[in-house]
Amino acid sequence: DAGVIQSPRHEVTEMGQEVTLRCKPISGHDYLFWYRQTMMRGLELLIYFNNNVPIDDSGMPEDRFSAKMPNASFSTLKIQPSEPRDSAVYFCASGPSLHTGELFFGEGSRLTVL
Amino acid sequence: ILNVEQSPQSLHVQEGDSTNFTCSFPSSNFYALHWYRWETAKSPEALFVMTLNGDEKKKGRISATLNTKEGYSYLYIKGSQPEDSATYLCALHTGGFKTIFGAGTRLFVKA
Repeated sequence: DAGVIQSPRHEVTEMGQEVTLRCKPISGHDYLFWYRQTMMRGLELLIYFNNNVPIDDSGMPEDRFSAKMPNASFSTLKIQPSEPRDSAVYFCASGPSLHTGELFFGEGSRLTVL
Repeated sequence: ILNVEQSPQSLHVQEGDSTNFTCSFPSSNFYALHWYRWETAKSPEALFVMTLNGDEKKKGRISATLNTKEGYSYLYIKGSQPEDSATYLCALHTGGFKTIFGAGTRLFVKA
């Protein structure tokens, strides 16, 4: 398996533009997570899905952020409109349906909003 | 609010030194404790998953212990090598797949 695949790896955009980050989880994993990493707050959980259904989105910072998982092999995280404070590395991770909760991370999408 | 604390924040050691760092967590919300190794410009990779009080896990020169009653885990690296330089993340799994990460300990090993 290729692991968790994220795209784009890097994105530079201007304030106000829409940003869409994409993730392909490991095949067979029932859980998918979106994390944001910043210097100030470390790794923050934004939202996670189980069997394509959003379970906990309490970490989504505000209405400008939305996430979808239309099928078991694809998820998107959208920011509209983007702001400079959204600049961060966004990680997608997936996990098997086991009790230990181990996560497998993608390589991240580095977002810079000018 | 659940908080996972790691110390120290960063550590500079010489090649060959042994080192250890600490993760503390609220013991009342324990389901599993994870250690991840995170190299710069890469993604975090799982080192250990620990579930039972008194667990000890080992992978080569790296080992970890767990005390769920008092809410702490130690990670040890014996004979540090430059390739051990990375950020070591501790994460508390509270069940329902809610995983809370500590801020990490950044290890620098000088040759």
